Amino acid sequence: DAGVIQSPRHEVTEMGQEVTLRCKPISGHNSLFWYRQTMMRGLELLIYFNNNVPIDDSGMPEDRFSAKMPNASFSTLKIQPSEPRDSAVYFCASSTRAIQYFGAGTRLSVL
Amino acid sequence: AQSVTQPDIHITVSEGASLELRCNYSYGATPYLFWYVQSPGQGLQLLLKYFSGDTLVQGIKGFEAEFKRSQSSFNLRKPSVHWSDAAEYFCAVGETSYDKVIFGPGTSLSVIP
Repeated sequence: DAGVIQSPRHEVTEMGQEVTLRCKPISGHNSLFWYRQTMMRGLELLIYFNNNVPIDDSGMPEDRFSAKMPNASFSTLKIQPSEPRDSAVYFCASSTRAIQYFGAGTRLSVL
Repeated sequence: AQSVTQPDIHITVSEGASLELRCNYSYGATPYLFWYVQSPGQGLQLLLKYFSGDTLVQGIKGFEAEFKRSQSSFNLRKPSVHWSDAAEYFCAVGETSYDKVIFGPGTSLSVIP
């Protein structure tokens, strides 16, 4: 398996624009997680899904953030409108048997 | 609530020296415990895990960790550090539902040649 695939790897956008981050989990994994990593706040869990259903979105910072998982092989994290403080590395992870497997991340810069 | 603490924000060791990274957790039941490593520009990778049984677990890259219930600790060790071990190390405790994991703040390891 190719592992968890995230796209794009880098995204540079201007404040106010919509940003969509994409994730393809490992086939057969039932849970999917979105994290945000910054120097100041470390690794934060934003939201996670089980069998495509959102279980806990309490980590989503604001209504500007939304996430979907329309099927078992695809998830998106959308920020609309984006702000400079959203600049971070966003990770997607999928899991099986209690072990999480991380993608390489998307580095987002909002100017 | 579950929590994980890593007392050392940053550690510097010489290549060839031994290493121990500390981790303490708070969890009501017998926890699932993990160590992940993050190299610069990459995602987190599992080093080792403890679910049950032998309290000394072996992982990849020559790492091992010991679960001590009485101390609520899961310290990571390596007898001889290599320059390529320089990275960020995260201790984590797993919840039993949905594979959710609580990560510690991380320890940054630097290796001096």
